[in-house]
Amino acid sequence: AAGVIQSPRHLIKEKRETATLKCYPIPRHDTVYWYQQGPGQDPQFLISFYEKMQSDKGSIPDRFSAQQFSDYHSELNMSSLELGDSALYFCASSNRGHHEAFFGQGTRLTVV
Amino acid sequence: AQSVSQHNHHVILSEAASLELGCNYSYGGTVNLFWYVQYPGQHLQLLLKYFSGDPLVKGIKGFEAEFIKSKFSFNLRKPSVQWSDTAEYFCAVKQGTYKYIFGTGTRLKVLA
Repeated sequence: AAGVIQSPRHLIKEKRETATLKCYPIPRHDTVYWYQQGPGQDPQFLISFYEKMQSDKGSIPDRFSAQQFSDYHSELNMSSLELGDSALYFCASSNRGHHEAFFGQGTRLTVV
Repeated sequence: AQSVSQHNHHVILSEAASLELGCNYSYGGTVNLFWYVQYPGQHLQLLLKYFSGDPLVKGIKGFEAEFIKSKFSFNLRKPSVQWSDTAEYFCAVKQGTYKYIFGTGTRLKVLA
């Protein structure tokens, strides 16, 4: 069965650079969620989209922005990267009619 | 806002021992509850979920959880753990339609 696809799997950036993370939800899923998981920490909700509109917002820094496109894929744009942004970034998707979210394998971002 | 508490941060068990991981949530209304497992270096995978109905929920790999509304609890259990159960376990509650709140996780180490 198709799963949530995230790219790239690994990314190394320098401080103050920008990064773009991509998420391709499971087909027919209309909701996308972004989470940040720091080393040894629980996943922290960043932002979610339903039908290409932002549906909820968590602890997402102003330096980050995200959007969901017409094909339902989503991109998380991160600017002015800081060392503390190093983390595993998970995307999840669901069908709004169902409660269960399916997670991708994550993008490991390292800021040096 | 809802919150999720996991009482045990680290648990070490021998193979064949029984497991119970505690999870408490804060919201008193209708809740959707989940347990996810994260194997080292991997993404979150759903173990089981509770939406309504029978409060004893059976999941994959022999795991089960019991929803006790009066105690705001959703504890995870397994009668006999295996070495391959070594992982981090996250309890989560769905807040609204578009956000999952995770607990801080419990790292389980099973000794062979």
